[in-house]
Amino acid sequence: AQSVTQLDSHVSVSEGTPVLLRCNYSSSYSPSLFWYVQHPNKGLQLLLKYTSAATLVKGINGFEAEFKKSETSFHLTKPSAHMSDAAEYFCVVSDRGSGTYKYIFGTGTRLKVLA
Amino acid sequence: NAGVMQNPRHLVRRRGQEARLRCSPMKGHSHVYWYRQLPEEGLKFMVYLQKENIIDESGMPKERFSAEFPKEGPSILRIQQVVRGDSAAYFCASSPPKLNTEAFFGQGTRLTVV
Repeated sequence: AQSVTQLDSHVSVSEGTPVLLRCNYSSSYSPSLFWYVQHPNKGLQLLLKYTSAATLVKGINGFEAEFKKSETSFHLTKPSAHMSDAAEYFCVVSDRGSGTYKYIFGTGTRLKVLA
Repeated sequence: NAGVMQNPRHLVRRRGQEARLRCSPMKGHSHVYWYRQLPEEGLKFMVYLQKENIIDESGMPKERFSAEFPKEGPSILRIQQVVRGDSAAYFCASSPPKLNTEAFFGQGTRLTVV
């Protein structure tokens, strides 16, 4: 069965410092992995996705994530946080090998950026 | 190509009434998903539909909730006899019929039961 664990429910960083949001997954097959961002009272926007090509994936707004099969991780990073990055971030897994298109969400990490 | 359209954006219902939430997927997308987000929580999968078929409804409550995606028209999530605990944001997403692609989300419908 597919599952996603986001290890931190809240992360606080100072503006200009690096961001690390952690995600571990469990999947029976080769997964597709995604990071979405949700700003307050808004919908969800795709930041980046991994679908078996390069293991280091670059997304929008300077975010990137690295797929590490040996660690079953897909952590999200950004070299320098900006105030506008404050939002909720969701790691998502989709099992493509099983033939299902269901997307499973982690519980989310709320990122706070301090001035 | 318009994005995923959900309406209404906000819906207020009294306890015992019915709530109907609509979702029009992006053009060319035949897969629709519904998720529920309770305050301060993540998104919980409810149901996955293709045209005229429910593929996976493992996240749907057994009673009062139903979903459809007819051949023509939007997908509908229906909640009968709403209770206060149904108050949440309901998000719809759609995707094309292929692997390795992301789901595209609507802005959500915020249901308040009073």
